[in-house]
Amino acid sequence: EDQVTQSPEALRLQEGESSSLNCSYTVSGLRGLFWYRQDPGKGPEFLFTLYSAGEEKEKERLKATLTKKESFLHITAPKPEDSATYLCAVKGGGSEKLVFGKGTKLTVNP
Amino acid sequence: NAGVTQTPKFQVLKTGQSMTLQCAQDMNHNSMYWYRQDPGMGLRLIYYSASEGTTDKGEVPNGYNVSRLNKREFSLRLESAAPSQTSVYFCASSEERGQGTSPLHFGNGTRLTVT
Repeated sequence: EDQVTQSPEALRLQEGESSSLNCSYTVSGLRGLFWYRQDPGKGPEFLFTLYSAGEEKEKERLKATLTKKESFLHITAPKPEDSATYLCAVKGGGSEKLVFGKGTKLTVNP
Repeated sequence: NAGVTQTPKFQVLKTGQSMTLQCAQDMNHNSMYWYRQDPGMGLRLIYYSASEGTTDKGEVPNGYNVSRLNKREFSLRLESAAPSQTSVYFCASSEERGQGTSPLHFGNGTRLTVT
């Protein structure tokens, strides 16, 4: 069964303090790993799709990387507006199901 | 360009009552989905529609029914609400037919409380 585990559950940073969020996964034949951002009271918003180990994608202060077992979402010099819950999801070749992790709640203090 | 629109935003039901959650997308997407989000759990798929005229069960379909009214609209019905159905419900759409790797576009959710 495909599984996704995100850590930590919650992370508090000071503005400008860089860090990383982790998404560990087990899947039969990865077809894609997805990162979403969710603000309170809103639906998830798509950030990135990664397809194979070694792939990296960047958007502003965010950079997502992928290995065969995990993905990292690196946040460089975060700002308070980066505060949100970040969700990771995987789609495996063995099933058509998209499996979501429980998310990491990021708080960036000014 | 509204994206995915869900109505209502909030709803309180009594046990046994029925209701329909509405969802519409204006992106000409082929696939549409209903998820529920509960504290401490990841998003869980209730039903999805890979194309107009087709629907399939997801991970947690019991107690729900769906209708893909046309390419734009996908509704979720609770026939006899139970307290266990208290949750936040999200509708999503994606460009591909079927559950491919195109990203999901989510609405802003319906917050449902069943007392």
